Amino acid sequence: DIQLTQSPSFLSASVGDRVTITCRASQGISSYLAWYQQKPGKAPKLLIYAASTLQSGVPSRFSGSGSGTEFTLTISSLQPEDFATYYCQQLNSYPTFGQGTKLEIK
Amino acid sequence: QLQLQESGPGLVKPSETLSLTCTVSGGSISSSSYYWGWIRQPPGKGLEWIGSIYYSGSTYYNPSLKSRVTISVDTSKNQFSLKLSSVTAADTAVYYCARLASIVGATYPDYWGQGTLVTVSS
Repeated sequence: DIQLTQSPSFLSASVGDRVTITCRASQGISSYLAWYQQKPGKAPKLLIYAASTLQSGVPSRFSGSGSGTEFTLTISSLQPEDFATYYCQQLNSYPTFGQGTKLEIK
Repeated sequence: QLQLQESGPGLVKPSETLSLTCTVSGGSISSSSYYWGWIRQPPGKGLEWIGSIYYSGSTYYNPSLKSRVTISVDTSKNQFSLKLSSVTAADTAVYYCARLASIVGATYPDYWGQGTLVTVSS
């Protein structure tokens, strides 16, 4: 199995802040990485695929970077609707997900 | 607009088989650009990929669940289905079906159903 470790697991921030979430893979996965946003009681929403490509309709304040074993999701200026849990997913082998990062309002 | 809807029993007894169906509307399950998959999430926990299927019937399963999982497709009904045998309480989860977009060597879930909670209990 390829393990994904997200950091931090919990993040407290304010509207307007710039935040970064990191996802580290236990072995190289090239750029086969996606990021999802999930709000309580809802299905996850695809934000970024292929490590850095923004899914259609996703605001440009979201960006992704990285390759190999280290990846980041950045939100440039937090909006109220961005407070949610974020997951990374690798698709280099059978897909696995990170444990999630809960982004809360400070 | 594409929609996916899970259906099936919300309560399954231990040792029995969990069966769910995903009905796709607003698009064809026979499109060559997409795969179709199942993902689950135990209450309060993270996501686990179960498996996927192509309209031709080729499947790809999570190795840890492979011995218990069967995913099938019915193109005439625009549906695909999940069967998970010999369930235990550990299989209690919200089960999501999803469309998987094939992009540069990988398949990314870009449309999801709303999810259905399946509880395993006697």
